[in-house]
Amino acid sequence: AQSVTQLGSHVSVSEGALVLLRCNYSSSVPPYLFWYVQYPNQGLQLLLKYTSAATLVKGINGFEAEFKKSETSFHLTKPSAHMSDAAEYFCAVSPTSYGKLTFGQGTILTVHP
Amino acid sequence: DTAVSQTPKYLVTQMGNDKSIKCEQNLGHDTMYWYKQDSKKFLKIMFSYNNKELIINETVPNRFSPKSPDKAHLNLHINSLELGDSAVYFCASSQDTSGGRGEQYFGPGTRLTVT
Repeated sequence: AQSVTQLGSHVSVSEGALVLLRCNYSSSVPPYLFWYVQYPNQGLQLLLKYTSAATLVKGINGFEAEFKKSETSFHLTKPSAHMSDAAEYFCAVSPTSYGKLTFGQGTILTVHP
Repeated sequence: DTAVSQTPKYLVTQMGNDKSIKCEQNLGHDTMYWYKQDSKKFLKIMFSYNNKELIINETVPNRFSPKSPDKAHLNLHINSLELGDSAVYFCASSQDTSGGRGEQYFGPGTRLTVT
């Protein structure tokens, strides 16, 4: 069974500041991990994914995430926040590179000018 | 060119009615999904079809019945709608190949409101 915990339902940063969104997972098999972003009134868009290759994964819009097996974490970071990054972010885990995704509860990112 | 499309985008209906939501993908993917996002934004998978065959069927009331006429379409029919069915329903698709890219592409969602 898989599960995902996102620490912090709301994160607020200033424009230009570091963005750090936390995700911890539980999985009985080597996991595949994903970050999705949801802008208001839109569907989910894939930001990046970990599929057992490089542990540091780069995604779209300047985001990256690092898979740390010892910490069972897959935190999402961006060095400098833009106003356009304001959205809700979902971490998800799957036992395969395709198939059933189990989502975390989401983190709303607010970016202040 | 919309990859995963859903109709309608908004659906307002009364308790007890029967309604359908349609989903189509033009990505050539083998697998399609339905997710429910509740008022707290929690996303949970409901069903998954691979090449028109049901492969994931989570604990969902049997009032919900998915139908896949072909691998590009996965429709969701809901009977006897209840207030608790109010949510946003997302369709998604992925290429079901081992070692493949595998990521799921989501539609824009259908906001269902039951009054």
